[in-house]
Amino acid sequence: AAGVIQSPRHLIKEKRETATLKCYPIPRHDTVYWYQQGPGQDPQFLISFYEKMQSDKGSIPDRFSAQQFSDYHSELNMSSLELGDSALYFCASSLNGGAADTQYFGPGTRLTVL
Amino acid sequence: AQSVTQLDSHVSVSEGTPVLLRCNYSSSYSPSLFWYVQHPNKGLQLLLKYTSAATLVKGINGFEAEFKKSETSFHLTKPSAHMSDAAEYFCVVSSASPGYNFNKFYFGSGTKLNVKP
Repeated sequence: AAGVIQSPRHLIKEKRETATLKCYPIPRHDTVYWYQQGPGQDPQFLISFYEKMQSDKGSIPDRFSAQQFSDYHSELNMSSLELGDSALYFCASSLNGGAADTQYFGPGTRLTVL
Repeated sequence: AQSVTQLDSHVSVSEGTPVLLRCNYSSSYSPSLFWYVQHPNKGLQLLLKYTSAATLVKGINGFEAEFKKSETSFHLTKPSAHMSDAAEYFCVVSSASPGYNFNKFYFGSGTKLNVKP
């Protein structure tokens, strides 16, 4: 079965650079979520989209932005990168974002900021 | 408000012995509860979920969990541990307030399961 695809899997950037992470949800899933997992931390919700509109917002810094496109893939744009942004970034997708919906997670993008 | 507390940050068991990973939740509304497993350098895989149907939920790889509303608990168990079960396990609560359809996952801090030969 098709799963959530994230690219790139690994990314190394310098401080103050920008990064773009991509997420391709499971086919027919219209809801996408982004999470950040710092070293030794549990995943923290950043932002979610339903039908190309932002549906919820968590602890996402103002330096980050995201959007969902017409084909339902999503991109997380990160600017003015800081050392503390080094983390594993997960994308998840679900069928329609309902409270009981399972979120299916991608393998993550490991971002290292030097 | 929603939150999850995983009572043990590390659990160590011998292969072939039972596993118990404890989770307590807090939710203002009827929750959906999930257990995910994360192997090193891997993504999060769904083990099982509870969504107000049967209180005893069976998942993959022999895991199961029981929802106890009176105790606000959703502990994960497995009768016999296997070496391949060594991983980190996350308890997750999701709930949508009335009139708000979109869910958001709240993760526990995780329990690292070590399985000794």
